Amino acid sequence: GAVVSQHPSRVICKSGTSVKIECRSLDFQATTMFWYRQFPKQSLMLMATSNEGSKATYEQGVEKDKFLINHASLTLSTLTVTSAHPEDSSFYICSARAERGWTYEQYFGPGTRLTVT
Amino acid sequence: AQRVTQPEKLLSVFKGAPVELKCNYSYSGSPELFWYVQYSRQRLQLLLRHISRESIKGFTADLNKGETSFHLKKPFAQEEDSAMYYCALSGPSNAGGTSYGKLTFGQGTILTVHP
Repeated sequence: GAVVSQHPSRVICKSGTSVKIECRSLDFQATTMFWYRQFPKQSLMLMATSNEGSKATYEQGVEKDKFLINHASLTLSTLTVTSAHPEDSSFYICSARAERGWTYEQYFGPGTRLTVT
Repeated sequence: AQRVTQPEKLLSVFKGAPVELKCNYSYSGSPELFWYVQYSRQRLQLLLRHISRESIKGFTADLNKGETSFHLKKPFAQEEDSAMYYCALSGPSNAGGTSYGKLTFGQGTILTVHP
């Protein structure tokens, strides 16, 4: 089956620093990956769509200068939280879209727990 | 705007009882509907999608366009079904474009099946 990994699984950083989260599709190529944010006991909120070789598409209300997305290859997308603040503490989940004939399927990573102190 | 509503945050049933997790949606067009499941300490995974018309782990879901619903049902719940269930919606897969397929999730329902 298709596997998506995320690194790191959890990270603690100080306020004002930047942190990078990697999302990799391990056994398939993904031209499109998605980044979600999940608050405790709440649903997943789509932050942005990451497209290989082009700029990411951000959802309304998501600061593109704060959440930098780079999709440099068909198997890797990165999310960098710049100048992190405690309110950025959250669970960040990526997914990668795999084409399945005439349709597609999304595979999710295990998530990254970010804590900003 | 597209929206997915799961009215029940928590649902408890006993083993062997029928279970129904409700999902209603709003979307202007023909969406694709999904159910995702997240077991304890595991990642989100696809349970079923309406276009497949499959029964996975005994679960079924029928898309009712008139009622804009996609309720998840299982006639006899098992303890291992205890998990968080998310209903999700996306635009049709044949819509094309680089951002098609992005999912809108409901709030999730925590299902607990008691022995």
